[in-house]
Amino acid sequence: AQSVTQLGSHVSVSEGALVLLRCNYSSSVPPYLFWYVQYPNQGLQLLLKYTSAATLVKGINGFEAEFKKSETSFHLTKPSAHMSDAAEYFCAVSEFGNEKLTFGTGTRLTIIP
Amino acid sequence: DTGVSQDPRHKITKRGQNVTFRCDPISEHNRLYWYRQTLGQGPEFLTYFQNEAQLEKSRLLSDRFSAERPKGSFSTLEIQRTEQGDSAMYLCASSPITGANVLTFGAGSRLTVL
Repeated sequence: AQSVTQLGSHVSVSEGALVLLRCNYSSSVPPYLFWYVQYPNQGLQLLLKYTSAATLVKGINGFEAEFKKSETSFHLTKPSAHMSDAAEYFCAVSEFGNEKLTFGTGTRLTIIP
Repeated sequence: DTGVSQDPRHKITKRGQNVTFRCDPISEHNRLYWYRQTLGQGPEFLTYFQNEAQLEKSRLLSDRFSAERPKGSFSTLEIQRTEQGDSAMYLCASSPITGANVLTFGAGSRLTVL
């Protein structure tokens, strides 16, 4: 069964510092992997996705993630944090032939001015 | 294309009452999903439709929950005899059949059961 583990329910970084949000997955077949962002009282917005093409995936708002099969990881990074990045971030996994996404428990990102 | 719409955005009800949520997906999307999100947790899958057919239901979807998508367009999620544990955000999402399960989410319907 597919699953996702997000390490760190809360992460704080200073404005301008590197953002690193961790995600490890479990899947019996090559997975599709996603990062979604959720702002308060809003739905989830897709940041980026990995679908077995390039292992380094670039998304919106300057975020990117690298698929590492050997580490079963799909960590999200951004070189320089902005105040507007403060939100909840969810990693999710699905498998070809399994039409639903399985989400992690989320990481709340706080940006320190 | 106005995205995925959900109504109502907020619902406060008393325990034991029935509630119904509506979701209007992106018009060209064949698949429609319902998720539930409680405070501090990620969204949990409830059920999904491909056109009008309900293809999968989670164990989380008790007998008090029923979802329909009668004409393959909008969907409703009804909760009968609500309980305080049903308090959550109910998220609807849609996706095309092709592609890697990229879901587009609505803003959600927040249910508070008193």
